[in-house]
Amino acid sequence: AQSVTQLGSHVSVSEGALVLLRCNYSSSVPPYLFWYVQYPNQGLQLLLKYTSAATLVKGINGFEAEFKKSETSFHLTKPSAHMSDAAEYFCAVSRYSGGGADGLTFGKGTHLIIQP
Amino acid sequence: ETGVTQSPTHLIKTRGQQVTLRCSSQSGHNTVSWYQQALGQGPQFIFQYYREEENGRGNFPPRFSGLQFPNYSSELNVNALELDDSALYLCASSLDRRIETQYFGPGTRLLVL
Repeated sequence: AQSVTQLGSHVSVSEGALVLLRCNYSSSVPPYLFWYVQYPNQGLQLLLKYTSAATLVKGINGFEAEFKKSETSFHLTKPSAHMSDAAEYFCAVSRYSGGGADGLTFGKGTHLIIQP
Repeated sequence: ETGVTQSPTHLIKTRGQQVTLRCSSQSGHNTVSWYQQALGQGPQFIFQYYREEENGRGNFPPRFSGLQFPNYSSELNVNALELDDSALYLCASSLDRRIETQYFGPGTRLLVL
């Protein structure tokens, strides 16, 4: 079985500061990894995805994440936080690119708070 | 804008009732997945339909069922509603079951009283 652990249910940073959201995964096979953002009362928007190509993945809105197999991590970073980044962030893992037996397995989410 | 729409946006039901939630996939996407997101939790995989057949299922009882239609629309049906079924229900469409092509809809918020 696969699982995702997001360290910190709430993370608070100042506007302009570095954003670091942590994600560790467990998977029996090379995983596909994703970060999603969810704004209040909205669905999920894909920020970025790792699908076994480059280990450093760049996404939308200035976010990026690095796949580290040795650490089973896929942390999300952004050099400079903006007020509009305040949202809930979910890390997710899948064993498959195709095939739907498991779907995506999500972490519990990290609520990002931006202090002015 | 993901091209995935869901209806209704909000719904209130009472325990024991049945509910049908609808999803319209992005054009050409032959795969639809449904997720349940309880308050304060990450989404949980319910099942996936590929070319109108169930292709995979998470840890949900049989009273959760689905349908997928040739016009890229789909339904999630829940019978004998329980209070714990209160959640945001998300559908996601993709092409040929490829998760990396998956896009989520805005969700339907269901409240069971």
